[in-house]
Amino acid sequence: QQPVQSPQAVILREGEDAVINCSSSKALYSVHWYRQKHGEAPVFLMILLKGGEQKGHEKISASFNEKKQQSSLYLTASQLSYSGTYFCGTEYRESNTGKLIFGQGTTLQVKP
Amino acid sequence: GAVVSQHPSRVICKSGTSVKIECRSLDFQATTMFWYRQFPKQSLMLMATSNEGSKATYEQGVEKDKFLINHASLTLSTLTVTSAHPEDSSFYICSASLVGSFGYTFGSGTRLTVV
Repeated sequence: QQPVQSPQAVILREGEDAVINCSSSKALYSVHWYRQKHGEAPVFLMILLKGGEQKGHEKISASFNEKKQQSSLYLTASQLSYSGTYFCGTEYRESNTGKLIFGQGTTLQVKP
Repeated sequence: GAVVSQHPSRVICKSGTSVKIECRSLDFQATTMFWYRQFPKQSLMLMATSNEGSKATYEQGVEKDKFLINHASLTLSTLTVTSAHPEDSSFYICSASLVGSFGYTFGSGTRLTVV
C-alpha cells in the first residue's frame, strides 16, 4: 500500500517553515525522504530507521513515530532552492527486500 | 559517494520498436537495483527489483515479457521496453544502494517518448 502524504501542495515565502507528513497503514521498517526538481531524478535527503528518531542537517530535519507509523519532514527558514516535490519512500518490515514504496508527493513552492 | 549512471537520458522511438535503458553503478557494486516509472505529476511507481545473476522480481501488474530486465554484472542492469507503444511513454528511473550505507541513489532518469 502506498503511504499517504499531506499536504499535497504548499506555497511558502522565503524564510517560512513547513511540515510534510507521511503516514502508513502498515508497520514500517524505514522511511526515506527525497526531493525532486522538475525533469530531474529524486535526490536523497535522509533516512529514518528507528521509532522516535529525529535526523537532520542544517534546516531540514525529520522524525519517525514508530507507534503511529508516521514520519514528518521539517523545513525551517525555507530557501528558494527548497522548491520541488518531496516524496517519502517507505520500506515495510515484512519486505526485507529493500524496495521502497513512494507516497504521492508534496509539491513545495518557495516564493521570494 | 555512490553514483548511478543512467543512459540514455532521452529517447524517442517509433511504436513497435524496442528500447534499452542502461543503469550503471560507477563506484560501487550493486547486487540489487530497482526500476521505477513516473508519469507526469505522479509518484514513482516501482516496476521491478533487479537481482544480479538471477531473475528480476516484478511488481503486480507489470508485464515481465514487455519490460525485460537483465542484471548480468554487479555494476550493470538494463531495462528493455519491447514493442513500445505510446502509453509506455514515461520517465524511467533506476536506483541502487551501496552495501553498508543507507538510502538509495537514483540514476538521472530516461525520458521515453513513443511516437
